[in-house]
Amino acid sequence: DAMVIQNPRYQVTQFGKPVTLSCSQTLNHNVMYWYQQKSSQAPKLLFHYYDKDFNNEADTPDNFQSRRPNTSFCFLDIRSPGLGDTAMYLCATSSGQTSYEQYFGPGTRLTVT
Amino acid sequence: AQKITQTQPGMFVQEKEAVTLDCTYDTSDQSYGLFWYKQPSSGEMIFLIYQGSYDEQNATEGRYSLNFQKARKSANLVISASQLGDSAMYFCAMRGRGNQGGKLIFGQGTELSVKP
Repeated sequence: DAMVIQNPRYQVTQFGKPVTLSCSQTLNHNVMYWYQQKSSQAPKLLFHYYDKDFNNEADTPDNFQSRRPNTSFCFLDIRSPGLGDTAMYLCATSSGQTSYEQYFGPGTRLTVT
Repeated sequence: AQKITQTQPGMFVQEKEAVTLDCTYDTSDQSYGLFWYKQPSSGEMIFLIYQGSYDEQNATEGRYSLNFQKARKSANLVISASQLGDSAMYFCAMRGRGNQGGKLIFGQGTELSVKP
């Protein structure tokens, strides 16, 4: 089945130790998004790719970076995680302007110790 | 600025009864989309239903319907015949300004608990 896959599902990292989260999709969608969701809060968009065009949200910390080597894959890199980066990270895709629905992956629960 | 407001942090409903989850929105755009997502404790966001701003009829998807009142800027979700598996967090969202990327703006969510 076509889907959005995130790896790993759970990740524990130490304060300041770089970590990379992975997202892949078999939907061949143009747009891929990364959301951060802290406990009991709404998801907050960090950035998204429209094809190869990177769009950063104004309040996304520089500590967060992203790569999209091809249509199927997108990575979230946290260069020096802080305790405040403990959250669920959700990847989503959509086909772009003509499609309103975003398809979400199962998320990665990141804990920074 | 665009904004979504969900005023019910938590709701309880008896199994097999109907429940309405409230959502109001604010936008100056003429064209926009409204969504409801369900998030169980596992964390995955599950798309439930969509309403376009120009749609004249309220959207329905199985047991889910969206009560869209454009003049009042409300988009309430109605779940009929609640089931135990409906217990989850529910988010109302709006497609953001501009077309590129289709950014979603979420409300704070309503936690629904279905009692047996």
